[in-house]
Amino acid sequence: QKEVEQDPGPLSVPEGAIVSLNCTYSNSAFQYFMWYRQYSRKGPELLMYTYSSGNKEDGRFTAQVDKSSKYISLFIRDSQPSDSATYLCAMSGMDTGRRALTFGSGTRLQVQP
Amino acid sequence: EPEVTQTPSHQVTQMGQEVILRCVPISNHLYFYWYRQILGQKVEFLVSFYNNEISEKSEIFDDQFSVERPDGSNFTLKIRSTKLEDSAMYFCASTQQGGYTEAFFGQGTRLTVV
Repeated sequence: QKEVEQDPGPLSVPEGAIVSLNCTYSNSAFQYFMWYRQYSRKGPELLMYTYSSGNKEDGRFTAQVDKSSKYISLFIRDSQPSDSATYLCAMSGMDTGRRALTFGSGTRLQVQP
Repeated sequence: EPEVTQTPSHQVTQMGQEVILRCVPISNHLYFYWYRQILGQKVEFLVSFYNNEISEKSEIFDDQFSVERPDGSNFTLKIRSTKLEDSAMYFCASTQQGGYTEAFFGQGTRLTVV
């Protein structure tokens, strides 16, 4: 079982739709969760950082963490063509013995105008 | 807004040659990282660096790789004898404290080994 699983997509939605992106993980020691946006051949751009279970909102983006289910989500409201990119989840935890991030494989999102 | 900068953006090298990839982390950050992403694959951790020494490394980071902070601003990754399979995007990242705060990434260096 992979440590972090993410549906690779592609996910295609019309402009204005609500997008739901998800990751599951197997290591209960993960405590810190991040979502990155990556455009083709560019570096990951940090969108959201969360620590505890629950929701965190920033503009059109909402990150949700459910540690009991080992499941995290990123919701994008009112999606725009400029949101078309690959979205990466990443996580770390003190008890994993590693400070570095473990990434999912990324979900490719296409927002159609 | 502070950012991580990497140079060069693209490097083409012949197999067996040495390459040095350069990074300038965010100035008040203390932890520095190198990750790589082979085309179409996930981002993978290579090495982290704190207080002028390697703090952890992955199984990918073998003897052909080395890192250095030669001065107060630069952070470098050296690949001693490049192989075809080293072709990838290499990303530098930094964090303010340990690995449990937000990690900011550079735009990457695309390394092509021919």
